[in-house]
Amino acid sequence: QKEVEQDPGPLSVPEGAIVSLNCTYSNSAFQYFMWYRQYSRKGPELLMYTYSSGNKEDGRFTAQVDKSSKYISLFIRDSQPSDSATYLCAMLGGNNRLAFGKGNQVVVIP
Amino acid sequence: GAGVSQTPSNKVTEKGKYVELRCDPISGHTALYWYRQSLGQGPEFLIYFQGTGAADDSGLPNDRFFAVRPEGSVSTLKIQRTERGDSAVYLCASSSGAGGLTDTQYFGPGTRLTVL
Repeated sequence: QKEVEQDPGPLSVPEGAIVSLNCTYSNSAFQYFMWYRQYSRKGPELLMYTYSSGNKEDGRFTAQVDKSSKYISLFIRDSQPSDSATYLCAMLGGNNRLAFGKGNQVVVIP
Repeated sequence: GAGVSQTPSNKVTEKGKYVELRCDPISGHTALYWYRQSLGQGPEFLIYFQGTGAADDSGLPNDRFFAVRPEGSVSTLKIQRTERGDSAVYLCASSSGAGGLTDTQYFGPGTRLTVL
């Protein structure tokens, strides 16, 4: 079992829809949780991070963590074509190494 | 300021050859990381440097892979006797080295390695 599971299926939504992404993890030692966005042929860039259970909002983006279920989510409200990218969940483990999910390719159709 | 840069952006080589991939971190960042991203996968950790020393090299897949950071800035990932399975995007990241959640890792654009 991988440390971080993210169903890698692509997601295609119309502009303005809510995008919902999620990951599960198995390592209870993970304390910090991130979402990265990766555009084609670019490196990942940090979108949001959190360390506690609950919700964190940043503009149109909401990150949710449920440590008891080892489950994290990312919601994108009022999605825009510029949100089209691959979204990767990541957890921070020992020695600052990031453990990534496989990523979800999101396409927002105008 | 400038972000993390990686050269070359693309590298095509033949099976069995030796390759070097270079990473220039953000100026002043003491921590540097290498990850490998295969097609359709998330990045996988390879090695982490704090200054000149490898703090954690447990992600290197085998002894054909080696990385150095002799002056605590630029790093080179070296792959000997390349195999077709080494084909991937090799990502470098750097961070301030303070540790913890706020020690954001900034990624470069990667080097796309293709082994024929």
